[in-house]
Amino acid sequence: GDSVTQMEGPVTLSEEAFLTINCTYTATGYPSLFWYVQYPGEGLQLLLKATKADDKGSNKGFEATYRKETTSFHLEKGSVQVSDSAVYFCALRGGGGNKLTFGTGTQLKVEL
Amino acid sequence: ETGVTQSPTHLIKTRGQQVTLRCSSQSGHNTVSWYQQALGQGPQFIFQYYREEENGRGNFPPRFSGLQFPNYSSELNVNALELDDSALYLCASSGLDRLNTEAFFGQGTRLTVV
Repeated sequence: GDSVTQMEGPVTLSEEAFLTINCTYTATGYPSLFWYVQYPGEGLQLLLKATKADDKGSNKGFEATYRKETTSFHLEKGSVQVSDSAVYFCALRGGGGNKLTFGTGTQLKVEL
Repeated sequence: ETGVTQSPTHLIKTRGQQVTLRCSSQSGHNTVSWYQQALGQGPQFIFQYYREEENGRGNFPPRFSGLQFPNYSSELNVNALELDDSALYLCASSGLDRLNTEAFFGQGTRLTVV
């Protein structure tokens, strides 16, 4: 079945540091890939998405590229801010339905 | 355009009891999915409803059941509550359209079973 593996946290960075959160997936067919963010006490918000190989999703300075050859969708940001502190979830949606399969989440803490 | 709303936000129940959680989907969306998020874990798919019919189910026992109403709002019912059912329950709405695959999540219902 479908699965998503993402790096474990917590990841602690200083403000303005470069961020990478690794995500790899296993799926049949051609899934769509997503990054969601969850702030404390809240639900999930879609951060970015990519629907086919080599697509780059981007939003609020975050980027991720759909790499079919390495089955990866790593999240990057060039300069993090304290306000980026949250839990980040990588997810995929397999072909034929709207079910999302999530990774276990990576907590990011950004300090001054 | 209204977002996805869930009620209640917090709930405490006793083991063996039954609970009903509610979700109002975003305007224009006809599909509702429910997820269970245990502490420190990613959300796990429970089931999905499309136009009032169950349209996919995850690895959850039959005591987890649901409904979708003509206005596309939905309920999640859990019978015979167990301690391990304590979690954040998330509802997501979307349109069942391959060109519109984004799911919008509510803020969740925090269920504690004691």
